[in-house]
Amino acid sequence: GDSVTQTEGQVTVSESKSLIINCTYSATSIAYPNLFWYVRYPGEGLQLLLKVITAGQKGSSRGFEATYNKETTSFHLQKASVQESDSAVYYCALNIPGTQVVGQLTFGSGTRLQVYA
Amino acid sequence: AQTIHQWPVAEIKAVGSPLSLGCTIKGKSSPNLYWYWQATGGTLQQLFYSITVGQVESVVQLNLSASRPKDDQFILSTEKLLLSHSGFYLCAWSPGTYAEQFFGPGTRLTVL
Repeated sequence: GDSVTQTEGQVTVSESKSLIINCTYSATSIAYPNLFWYVRYPGEGLQLLLKVITAGQKGSSRGFEATYNKETTSFHLQKASVQESDSAVYYCALNIPGTQVVGQLTFGSGTRLQVYA
Repeated sequence: AQTIHQWPVAEIKAVGSPLSLGCTIKGKSSPNLYWYWQATGGTLQQLFYSITVGQVESVVQLNLSASRPKDDQFILSTEKLLLSHSGFYLCAWSPGTYAEQFFGPGTRLTVL
């Protein structure tokens, strides 16, 4: 089946440093997946951070960027300079257009980002 | 603007007791609706989806059921809880089948 892999369960970064959270995916369908990053801030619900539905394109939001790379099947999340307020759990997810299960989002296991001053 | 509300915020229930969790979406007509579950330390899994009133499809078998009695309401229930039902339940909606999904605040369920 389809799967999303986030290799780091937790990442700790100093404020103003750069960040990469890794995400790779595996999709059994010949259709290219839609890719998403969701974020859960402490005490809040899961919210969409950014999405990209076309291979080769880049999505961005709140200073974060992610590029859809179909050659390496990756969708890494990057930020040039993190802030304490970025501390949260980040989830990579995908869905496959045309699959039998309507709108099924497949999530990675999440990466907890802790930014310290 | 659309809002999504889940109730209750948290529940502590005994094994074998019934359960009903609810979700309401306001500000969007005929949304696609979804239930997700996350066991402690686990991954979010889609349980059910519904694209119209009265129709619900099961994705994962967990001895749970779901219903959509109104366009803006989605209910998750079971007559007999298991320990394995503990976790975090999220309701979500989307404007289209493969569009982004918007999540509610969730319900934390503890089964003892």
